[in-house]
Amino acid sequence: DAKTTQPPSMDCAEGRAANLPCNHSTISGNEYVYWYRQIHSQGPQYIIHGLKNNETNEMASLIITEDRKSSTLILPHATLRDTAVYYCIARGSKLTFGGGTRVLVKP
Amino acid sequence: EAGVAQSPRYKIIEKRQSVAFWCNPISGHATLYWYQQILGQGPKLLIQFQNNGVVDDSQLPKDRFSAERLKGVDSTLKIQPAKLEDSAVYLCASSLGSVLGELFFGEGSRLTVL
Repeated sequence: DAKTTQPPSMDCAEGRAANLPCNHSTISGNEYVYWYRQIHSQGPQYIIHGLKNNETNEMASLIITEDRKSSTLILPHATLRDTAVYYCIARGSKLTFGGGTRVLVKP
Repeated sequence: EAGVAQSPRYKIIEKRQSVAFWCNPISGHATLYWYQQILGQGPKLLIQFQNNGVVDDSQLPKDRFSAERLKGVDSTLKIQPAKLEDSAVYLCASSLGSVLGELFFGEGSRLTVL
């Protein structure tokens, strides 16, 4: 699985959009971009995934650049309950977690 | 729908003792995973089962860790003897079975080795 690079931490304001970047410059054509998050003392939770096209669901939107070397997870209206570690994963056959981004949503 | 169940939630043992963790996946999920998560790090895959067969155990320290999934449902992960560096949260996850299927994680079993 390709390596991904994420900022170690970021803050965002409650009610505002949170944009979480991820670099995956070595991603191969058959690897999907997956996002999971892990709230304190819980197991990781699936958020969204995509291959080439942008995707949206009830939790978030995923924007993938045309060259697929980077992506952005967008939480449209961050709430305090969105405080968590967010993992971006370039998934081939395995789900391999990196260090993730620790997101703190502040009131 | 019931989620992935794990027990115990917490376990404290001394080094060189043994410990076992149990996982009951979501009903109908063919694939089961055990991950190890050391404090401050992302989860690391230890072993993956497809039904009751091992698909990947390349990162399982086989000299002390063992896992089984009898009858393709519940699974146990055993550590014997435990070392200080085994202190971690052990996460079990399951998925329907496709390679790209969503993984559903349990809350984990937190192990402290003294």
